[in-house]
Amino acid sequence: AQSVTQLGSHVSVSEGALVLLRCNYSSSVPPYLFWYVQYPNQGLQLLLKYTTGATLVKGINGFEAEFKKSETSFHLTKPSAHMSDAAEYFCAVIFRNSGNTPLVFGKGTRLSVIA
Amino acid sequence: NAGVTQTPKFRILKIGQSMTLQCTQDMNHNYMYWYRQDPGMGLKLIYYSVGAGITDKGEVPNGYNVSRSTTEDFPLRLELAAPSQTSVYFCATRGRSDGNTIYFGEGSWLTVV
Repeated sequence: AQSVTQLGSHVSVSEGALVLLRCNYSSSVPPYLFWYVQYPNQGLQLLLKYTTGATLVKGINGFEAEFKKSETSFHLTKPSAHMSDAAEYFCAVIFRNSGNTPLVFGKGTRLSVIA
Repeated sequence: NAGVTQTPKFRILKIGQSMTLQCTQDMNHNYMYWYRQDPGMGLKLIYYSVGAGITDKGEVPNGYNVSRSTTEDFPLRLELAAPSQTSVYFCATRGRSDGNTIYFGEGSWLTVV
């Protein structure tokens, strides 16, 4: 079955440290891949997306993600965490071989940034 | 430049009451979705629509109904509200013309007591 897995429901990093949030999907066909961020009591904001082309994708707020087909992964990184990065992050996937199947979300990873 | 507009933002319902969450978009997107978000569970799809007059069930449709009479509007109806429907509801649209990006409304916080 097609699925999206985010490893770690909660990640804590020190301010200035590397942020790494993991996302893996299961599909035989490379899907469209997205990362969304949600700040407390707010909606979801698109950070970045991969559809085709370059596998390293740069997004807003200094985040980037790399699509690795061989590892079926789309991990989100940021070289240096800032206090304002504390939020919930969702990996989401559109599986291309599923007709009208819409966006499927991972369960989310809550990022805490420690001063 | 409204994008996706959801109303109301907050609502408290009594058990057994009914209500409609409104969703309107001005991006001329064919695809529209309703998700619910519960703590630690991510977002689960309730219903979706691929165009006016066409709707289909998602992962958790029980207790809800939708209609799509126009491209712009996709209301979500809760009949006989139950405490299990206490959640945050998000409406979203998808546009094929910009890489299938999903655009979200700001959410509707619903409490059933």
